[in-house]
Amino acid sequence: GNSVTQMEGPVTLSEEAFLTINCTYTATGYPSLFWYVQYPGEGLQLLLKATKADDKGSNKGFEATYRKETTSFHLEKGSVQVSDSAVYFCALSGRGGYNKLIFGAGTRLAVHP
Amino acid sequence: EADIYQTPRYLVIGTGKKITLECSQTMGHDKMYWYQQDPGMELHLIHYSYGVNSTEKGDLSSESTVSRIRTEHFPLTLESARPSHTSQYLCASSDGAAKGTQYFGPGTRLLVL
Repeated sequence: GNSVTQMEGPVTLSEEAFLTINCTYTATGYPSLFWYVQYPGEGLQLLLKATKADDKGSNKGFEATYRKETTSFHLEKGSVQVSDSAVYFCALSGRGGYNKLIFGAGTRLAVHP
Repeated sequence: EADIYQTPRYLVIGTGKKITLECSQTMGHDKMYWYQQDPGMELHLIHYSYGVNSTEKGDLSSESTVSRIRTEHFPLTLESARPSHTSQYLCASSDGAAKGTQYFGPGTRLLVL
């Protein structure tokens, strides 16, 4: 079945450091891929998405490229800020009308000044 | 910007009480979802709906029930709350045309004493 594996946290970085959070997936067909972010005490917000191979999603300085050959969708940011501290979820959506999302376990990011 | 609302945001209640968590969206989305998020952050789909009068159980068995009488409203009910129901509950919706994108509400944090 479909599944998502993302790197365990917590990830602790200093402000302005480079961020990578790894995400790999197993899926049949051609899923859409997502990164969601959850700030403390809030629900999930869509951060970026990609719907086909080689697409790059980007938002707020974050980027991720849909790599079908390596079944990966790693999240990157060149210079993190304290305000980026949150939990990041990688997810995939299979084709078809149900739009059910399969989530990774989440990676907590803590950025220190 | 997604318009999906959940009430209450926080609820502390005693064992055996009946509770209803409200979820409403103003986007006209056909598909709606309920997730349970445990303290370890992982998200579990417990119910979903494809439209009015359509409800399905999710991947994680839950003692809660849902109804979908109106497109915009998808309440979740626990007939008799127990401490094991303590969790965060997240509601989401999707229009199906957005290639799997789901929009989340802010969540309800439930504590059953």
